[in-house]
Amino acid sequence: KAGVTQTPRYLIKTRGQQVTLSCSPISGHRSVSWYQQTPGQGLQFLFEYFSETQRNKGNFPGRFSGRQFSNSRSEMNVSTLELGDSALYLCASSFEAGGQETQYFGPGTRLLVL
Amino acid sequence: EDKVVQSPLSLVVHEGDTVTLNCSYEVTNFRSLLWYKQEKKAPTFLFMLTSSGIEKKSGRLSSILDKKELFSILNITATQTGDSAVYLCAARRYSGSARQLTFGSGTQLTVLP
Repeated sequence: KAGVTQTPRYLIKTRGQQVTLSCSPISGHRSVSWYQQTPGQGLQFLFEYFSETQRNKGNFPGRFSGRQFSNSRSEMNVSTLELGDSALYLCASSFEAGGQETQYFGPGTRLLVL
Repeated sequence: EDKVVQSPLSLVVHEGDTVTLNCSYEVTNFRSLLWYKQEKKAPTFLFMLTSSGIEKKSGRLSSILDKKELFSILNITATQTGDSAVYLCAARRYSGSARQLTFGSGTQLTVLP
């Protein structure tokens, strides 16, 4: 099975711009979660999608949004970029069966805001 | 607010040593605890624990959860230089259909030859 893929892998934007990141989960996984990782804050939960519905949202401003398509692929959008949005954005797909969950991360998109 | 605290923050050992990494949590509607290994890339899933007192093992790694005392430990025996990484633990809570994973800040493990 192919792993979780994220595109693009690297991105440089300037303040005020907007960006869209894409994540394709492992085939058969219906849950996709997004995280922001920075040296100062560590890994922080952004949101989770399951069957095209947002199941939960972390403590981030409304500039961060996402969606999931019928094929489980997910996109994350950040509008009006700020310098502090520079981070590694990770998506993870997960699968639950028999009460056991496994979660696999993609390689991440490294975003630099200048 | 959910909280996950890992200790120690960093650890330096020599090959062959055994290490124990700690993770304590305060999470409303706790469901499970997950361990990950992160090298210079995305985290790799290690274990998911839901029941107290049941050890999970994978090779030289093992982990156990104590839901009464709200902590988990990750043991690595006979460490190798390839075990050098940041080890993250995360607690998942459920509230209706909403789920959220809160991560600790990680333990940086360095294994010297």
